[in-house]
Amino acid sequence: AQSVTQLDSHVSVSEGTPVLLRCNYSSSYSPSLFWYVQHPNKGLQLLLKYTSAATLVKGINGFEAEFKKSETSFHLTKPSAHMSDAAEYFCVVSDLYSGGGADGLTFGKGTHLIIQP
Amino acid sequence: DGGITQSPKYLFRKEGQNVTLSCEQNLNHDAMYWYRQDPGQGLRLIYYSQIVNDFQKGDIAEGYSVSREKKESFPLTVTSAQKNPTAFYLCASSLQREGAGELFFGEGSRLTVL
Repeated sequence: AQSVTQLDSHVSVSEGTPVLLRCNYSSSYSPSLFWYVQHPNKGLQLLLKYTSAATLVKGINGFEAEFKKSETSFHLTKPSAHMSDAAEYFCVVSDLYSGGGADGLTFGKGTHLIIQP
Repeated sequence: DGGITQSPKYLFRKEGQNVTLSCEQNLNHDAMYWYRQDPGQGLRLIYYSQIVNDFQKGDIAEGYSVSREKKESFPLTVTSAQKNPTAFYLCASSLQREGAGELFFGEGSRLTVL
């Protein structure tokens, strides 16, 4: 069965410093991987996705993530945090053939990103 | 603008009452989904539908019901059989069945049982 683990429930950084949100996954096949962002009391918005093309994926708002098969990781990074980045971030693995959710998706439990002024 | 509209944004219910959450999309997407979000739990799938007049149970369907009579509409009913209904409910859609595509989300409905 597939799974996804977000290693930190909360991450706090100062404005202007780098952001690292960690995600490890488990899947028997070649998965698709996503990062979504959720601002308070809002729906989720796609930041970026990996679907077996380039391993370094660039997303919106300056975020990027690198797929590392040997480490089964898909960490999200941003060189310089902005106050507007404060939100909840979800790592998602999608694999129709490895179980997980009924629709083939498994969501991580989320990482709350706090930006200090 | 295309998107997903959920209503109401906030809803209060007395124990023993059924309530229906609305979800409408104008993206011409075939697939629609309902998720439940609890603090620190991520998202859990309640029901999904890939085509009109067809829907499938998700991981936590007990106590919920849905219908898909029109492509653009996928309402969720939280029944009195749902023992712990207080949560944030999210509706989503995708162009195809999820596995490679992007999910588009509504802004959510927060249900509180009094």
